[in-house]
Amino acid sequence: NAGVTQTPKFQVLKTGQSMTLQCAQDMNHEYMSWYRQDPGMGLRLIHYSVGAGITDQGEVPNGYNVSRSTTEDFPLRLLSAAPSQTSVYFCASRALASGANVLTFGAGSRLTVL
Amino acid sequence: SQQGEEDPQALSIQEGENATMNCSYKTSINNLQWYRQNSGRGLVHLILIRSNEREKHSGRLRVTLDTSKKSSSLLITASRAADTASYFCATVLSGGYNKLIFGAGTRLAVHP
Repeated sequence: NAGVTQTPKFQVLKTGQSMTLQCAQDMNHEYMSWYRQDPGMGLRLIHYSVGAGITDQGEVPNGYNVSRSTTEDFPLRLLSAAPSQTSVYFCASRALASGANVLTFGAGSRLTVL
Repeated sequence: SQQGEEDPQALSIQEGENATMNCSYKTSINNLQWYRQNSGRGLVHLILIRSNEREKHSGRLRVTLDTSKKSSSLLITASRAADTASYFCATVLSGGYNKLIFGAGTRLAVHP
């Protein structure tokens, strides 16, 4: 099993550019989420989804859009990148039936906004 | 503001010693989890303790939970160089089953 796959692993953007971070999982997990990790801040929840067509905001949703058209994919879109969005982004998923909220994480995408 | 905060921020020990990390949280929880992150990698789940449990073991890991003090501790016994990583506690708020909130983490360095 590939688990949770994130692409790209590294990306450099200029302020104002747009891009999409891709996340795919092959475990048939209903729940998917995006976190950002900044030094000294731990992980902060950006957006999450409990199934296709359903998304909701986390702790720090501003500046990010998500959609969930399939169970497998949960892309994160930055419409107009800002230097404050320089971070490492993690996608994570779980099966809703597990009941315990234990997440499986991807390897991360490191984004630098100049 | 963050729900969970780990203490200490960094810990340096020798192989064979025990490592203890603490986590405090602010509001009622459903469960508390500990994750490990090796440098440059994603997080890996280590252990989960539910709000009605006080202690749990998994191999060399021992987790305690004190809901009256809103705190948890992770003990790694007989540490190895391979235990060098960052460790994060994460809480599921009561009624907030879709949100796992992480602390800032403890960086553990185990020296051979």
